[in-house]
Amino acid sequence: GQNIDQPTEMTATEGAIVQINCTYQTSGFNGLFWYQQHAGEAPTFLSYNVLDGLEEKGRFSSFLSRSKGYSYLLLKELQMKDSASYLCAAMDSNYQLIWGAGTKLIIKP
Amino acid sequence: IAGITQAPTSQILAAGRRMTLRCTQDMRHNAMYWYRQDLGLGLRLIHYSNTAGTTGKGEVPDGYSVSRANTDDFPLTLASAVPSQTSVYFCASSSGTGSYNEQFFGPGTRLTVL
Repeated sequence: GQNIDQPTEMTATEGAIVQINCTYQTSGFNGLFWYQQHAGEAPTFLSYNVLDGLEEKGRFSSFLSRSKGYSYLLLKELQMKDSASYLCAAMDSNYQLIWGAGTKLIIKP
Repeated sequence: IAGITQAPTSQILAAGRRMTLRCTQDMRHNAMYWYRQDLGLGLRLIHYSNTAGTTGKGEVPDGYSVSRANTDDFPLTLASAVPSQTSVYFCASSSGTGSYNEQFFGPGTRLTVL
């Protein structure tokens, strides 16, 4: 079957760095997406990886290892506004997104 | 309109009633999607449409139907609502259906079926 695993909740301190891990099993693979979702709001796109390696975009970076079925989202210089859920989604062979349940990130001052 | 709009924002519905959730996008995107989001679960695809005039079933299509008469609109209908359909419903769109196609989400409809 198809499955995405990510931690349910993480806590970090303002100004620090946090890494949110995601493992995936899909029928075929056409890329890995990360979305941010603030409470009561819609998900918004953060990053996309299809090749192995690290993609950096400002304070956020995303890493992919296709052979390990593994990705992580790295958030640097954490700000209070980064408190949100982070959703990992893998695109399968039918170009459909398979979503994880999300990781709720709590930032403490 | 900029992006995707959904209506209503929220709704309380008696079981057995028929309900249509509306979704409109102004980005001229070919593909549109309906998801439901429940606590502790990932977004689950209900139905999708790769282009106007075509629709397909997602992971959890039972009890729901969709139509795609034109590019902009993608309504979701619950023929006879049941309490298990209580959820937050998100409509999304993407320009295409290939590998790199970011999905843009509407603000969601919070539906409660009693």
